[in-house]
Amino acid sequence: QKEVEQDPGPLSVPEGAIVSLNCTYSNSAFQYFMWYRQYSRKGPELLMYTYSSGNKEDGRFTAQVDKSSKYISLFIRDSQPSDSATYLCAMSASRGSTLGRLYFGRGTQLTVWP
Amino acid sequence: DADVTQTPRNRITKTGKRIMLECSQTKGHDRMYWYRQDPGLGLRLIYYSFDVKDINKGEISDGYSVSRQAQAKFSLSLESAIPNQTALYFCATSDSDREGETQYFGPGTRLLVL
Repeated sequence: QKEVEQDPGPLSVPEGAIVSLNCTYSNSAFQYFMWYRQYSRKGPELLMYTYSSGNKEDGRFTAQVDKSSKYISLFIRDSQPSDSATYLCAMSASRGSTLGRLYFGRGTQLTVWP
Repeated sequence: DADVTQTPRNRITKTGKRIMLECSQTKGHDRMYWYRQDPGLGLRLIYYSFDVKDINKGEISDGYSVSRQAQAKFSLSLESAIPNQTALYFCATSDSDREGETQYFGPGTRLLVL
């Protein structure tokens, strides 16, 4: 079993829809959770960063972490065609254990059509 | 200018050839990474380096070697390229002073081995 599981999609939604992207994980040591966005033929870019459980909001994006369920989510409100990309979740443990490793999901391909 | 640069951006080579992919960064980060990305498999870690004197194997290091020439430079070599090394290669950096291992990616090198 991979340490991080992510449904690869593809996911196709109309403009203005609310998008929910999710990952599950198995390692209870993970405390830092990230979402990366990758446009076609580009490198992944950091979109959201959260520590431990809870929610974090940045504009139309909300990252949610539920450590008890080992489940993280990214919500995109009022989705736009420019949000069309592959979204990768990533996570790591605190310093001192599994040092230096970032564990990625396989990415979910999202298309927002006008 | 980009913080993490990779050269070349595209490369076509033949089976058996030795090639080198180069990565440079101006972020001042001490940690550097090489990943490959294949459709459906996500990002897989090849090698990582915590500082100039530290090199570690990742998930899929067979057939690859690396050199950390300076804090800002990390190169990946394919000693004898084979077709299943055709992939998108990314370099990434992170700062050990920041918890969570947030990584910053270069634009990628698209490699085709014939």
